[in-house]
Amino acid sequence: KAGVTQTPRYLIKTRGQQVTLSCSPISGHRSVSWYQQTPGQGLQFLFEYFSETQRNKGNFPGRFSGRQFSNSRSEMNVSTLELGDSALYLCASSLSTGVNEQFFGPGTRLTVL
Amino acid sequence: QKEVEQNSGPLSVPEGAIASLNCTYSDRGSQSFFWYRQYSGKSPELIMSIYSNGDKEDGRFTAQLNKASQYVSLLIRDSQPSDSATYLCAVIQGAQKLVFGQGTRLTINP
Repeated sequence: KAGVTQTPRYLIKTRGQQVTLSCSPISGHRSVSWYQQTPGQGLQFLFEYFSETQRNKGNFPGRFSGRQFSNSRSEMNVSTLELGDSALYLCASSLSTGVNEQFFGPGTRLTVL
Repeated sequence: QKEVEQNSGPLSVPEGAIASLNCTYSDRGSQSFFWYRQYSGKSPELIMSIYSNGDKEDGRFTAQLNKASQYVSLLIRDSQPSDSATYLCAVIQGAQKLVFGQGTRLTINP
């Protein structure tokens, strides 16, 4: 069974630009969660989507948004990029929302110059 | 108080010994607990999940949960150099969000 895939794996952007990251969950998994990982803050929850609906949201500004499609694939978008947005963005999928085990993709390394 | 707390380490353990990793959490209502391993430059990998008080064993790994003390631990027996990584404790809290600790960096010395 294929794991979680994320594209692109690496991105370099400049301040003020916007970026879209993509995540394809494990086949049969319907929940997708997004996390930001930085050396200083660790792994921080961005949001979770299940059945094309945002179920949970972390404490991030509105510049961070996401969506989920009917095939469970998900995208997240960051607008008006800031230097502090440089991070590893991780997507995790699980069978359903709530207490299920989450499996991570390889991540997208975003660098904002 | 942080929602999930771990000692950041580094924790250094000789090869063949038992490595003990600890985690405390703040939400007394939490019911689901996970341990992830993250190698440098890689994404977290789920190694254990535990939902009931007591011990759960899987190969060389044992997870221990004590809900009364709000404490969860991971024991690695017969530690190998390949176990050197950062170990992340994660807890489902509140509105079904998975909250991670900062991680404990473990080094196994040959």
